[in-house]
Amino acid sequence: DTGVSQDPRHKITKRGQNVTFRCDPISEHNRLYWYRQTLGQGPEFLTYFQNEAQLEKSRLLSDRFSAERPKGSFSTLEIQRTEQGDSAMYLCASSPTGAGSLAGTTGELFFGEGSRLTVL
Amino acid sequence: GQSLEQPSEVTAVEGAIVQINCTYQTSGFYGLSWYQQHDGGAPTFLSYNALDGLEETGRFSSFLSRSDSYGYLLLQELQMKDSASYFCAVEPTGANNLFFGTGTRLTVIP
Repeated sequence: DTGVSQDPRHKITKRGQNVTFRCDPISEHNRLYWYRQTLGQGPEFLTYFQNEAQLEKSRLLSDRFSAERPKGSFSTLEIQRTEQGDSAMYLCASSPTGAGSLAGTTGELFFGEGSRLTVL
Repeated sequence: GQSLEQPSEVTAVEGAIVQINCTYQTSGFYGLSWYQQHDGGAPTFLSYNALDGLEETGRFSSFLSRSDSYGYLLLQELQMKDSASYFCAVEPTGANNLFFGTGTRLTVIP
């Protein structure tokens, strides 16, 4: 499989619990992104890694959210003390390093199918 | 900040042509992208315009006019499998991410 894979695909948890999602990007891609998507909306940017370095975080990423990419390969997104408002699809995407822009000149991100979180 | 406006829903007949518009407000961007997303699926890249004009990729074409802050996605010879949500997105200058519009849900009817 050469695509972006995410695990788990679905997670149901109770409010206050911690959850962790994993993303395995396309192996030769240096850039990794996390987005959140709620029903009827477009994906919203959360954070971005270049290799193992987390270079950008959205204001949407509260202190309860933490993301890592320890060896520049897979990444994890942890949400602590979940709230009902955290219920969403969490999408991971990757792209190859581009010169001055995403994925060179194509503007393409390769998305996984997402991890759907439901907080009860 | 950025904002991208799209019609929320569009319905079209199988075999027809449909245009999905995207108007934007942004201080600067590298290019305008289009993504397709089927229910429960991953967003998948369709097209990208770095420069003004028309880009054609098979049945799909995309257009950008920076002077009008406007772009569109044109789908020809519609097929039932084209029923999906379509998102325009910009990569703001100096940012390393895509900012997405709210999306247009396309329904293709027989």
